[in-house]
Amino acid sequence: EAQVTQNPRYLITVTGKKLTVTCSQNMNHEYMSWYRQDPGLGLRQIYYSMNVEVTDKGDVPEGYKVSRKEKRNFPLILESPSPNQTSLYFCASGRGYEQYFGPGTRLTVT
Amino acid sequence: GDSVTQMEGPVTLSEEAFLTINCTYTATGYPSLFWYVQYPGEGLQLLLKATKADDKGSNKGFEATYRKETTSFHLEKGSVQVSDSAVYFCALLDNYGQNFVFGPGTRLSVLP
Repeated sequence: EAQVTQNPRYLITVTGKKLTVTCSQNMNHEYMSWYRQDPGLGLRQIYYSMNVEVTDKGDVPEGYKVSRKEKRNFPLILESPSPNQTSLYFCASGRGYEQYFGPGTRLTVT
Repeated sequence: GDSVTQMEGPVTLSEEAFLTINCTYTATGYPSLFWYVQYPGEGLQLLLKATKADDKGSNKGFEATYRKETTSFHLEKGSVQVSDSAVYFCALLDNYGQNFVFGPGTRLSVLP
């Protein structure tokens, strides 16, 4: 079964404490991406990766890092989270018409 | 840049009512158009899509027609059910076929 998994699903943290949200896919997709969802703004792309070791900024990359050391995994890293990064985050795998979304990670930064 | 506008919610309907959620877009070239649905606590699921002008996407009783002349892709369903309660996102796929541009989402609540 095609699957995109994210962990954790829910996270409450404090300002400045580094965190990583993991994303994994089992479809052998080269293209993966991260979005954040905020009320009234829809989904906005943070970063994307076209293949292993190839990543690029999306529309809202400030305050985030990513890495792509293996094809199946694409973690999102917040080195020093701030309250304005409180949001719902989605990892997506695949591109174009065949894009699959993970279940989401709800992050609260206090 | 490309953008998607959709009607503000929330939309509240009674079961079996007719649903329309408006979506218009601004894009260069000829984007593909999509509707995604997000049920409570879940990720986004593709509901339907249309890849060229006058195409009609349909799924689970929902329909949307790609109208190039009005740059619109309105979502319709003839008779909604309580289980259709969700957030609906209109989106376009840019000319490069890589990145999606999403609208802000419309929350639909269907009452029994």
